[in-house]
Amino acid sequence: DAGITQSPRHKVTETGTPVTLRCHQTENHRYMYWYRQDPGHGLRLIHYSYGVKDTDKGEVSDGYSVSRSKTEDFLLTLESATSSQTSVYFCAISDSQGQREQYFGPGTRLTVT
Amino acid sequence: DQQVKQNSPSLSVQEGRISILNCDYTNSMFDYFLWYKKYPAEGPTFLISISSIKDKNEDGRFTVFLNKSAKHLSLHIVPSQPGDSAVYFCAASVKSGSRLTFGEGTQLTVNP
Repeated sequence: DAGITQSPRHKVTETGTPVTLRCHQTENHRYMYWYRQDPGHGLRLIHYSYGVKDTDKGEVSDGYSVSRSKTEDFLLTLESATSSQTSVYFCAISDSQGQREQYFGPGTRLTVT
Repeated sequence: DQQVKQNSPSLSVQEGRISILNCDYTNSMFDYFLWYKKYPAEGPTFLISISSIKDKNEDGRFTVFLNKSAKHLSLHIVPSQPGDSAVYFCAASVKSGSRLTFGEGTQLTVNP
């Protein structure tokens, strides 16, 4: 298994509070991604990173920000959580050596009440 | 605009029979396709992939077929086993290091 951990694994928070999810990898892979999974939508890309301090938006980036100050860590922040951000969040990584496959972490279940 | 679609939310098959999961795409720039398997409370795991220069790729019980003219791919599992019960996602990409575009997923149930 690819060395990817996510923390926390579960979180319940109130509307309007800030939330930060962490993804940590031990594979030294260049690319890191944040997805959310919702019924009927599959996995949708929120933001991704192609190197330290290099990030870009995905298809559902509104209300989210990211930071990557080290190769191994990719943080996803909900500045002011809303109920529509209740979801399961997955981090993924991939290498830059022509690899298309992405490898996923175990996920974080976030509930915004 | 759903560029990758899995039109069957669920599929039920008997153990030992063939499972066929389907996926359609609209973006002709996609040149690499992947299947992922997901168990409850776990992250998706990579299963098998195919490049657009091929029309078939096989790995043990799993075979992926690609029909570029129809913009359609399918995953065949033969023989199906109860442990194959999971959600299967198809995904597509346009180049290395880029985003994957996922379908909605198909819940496969293999009955003993």
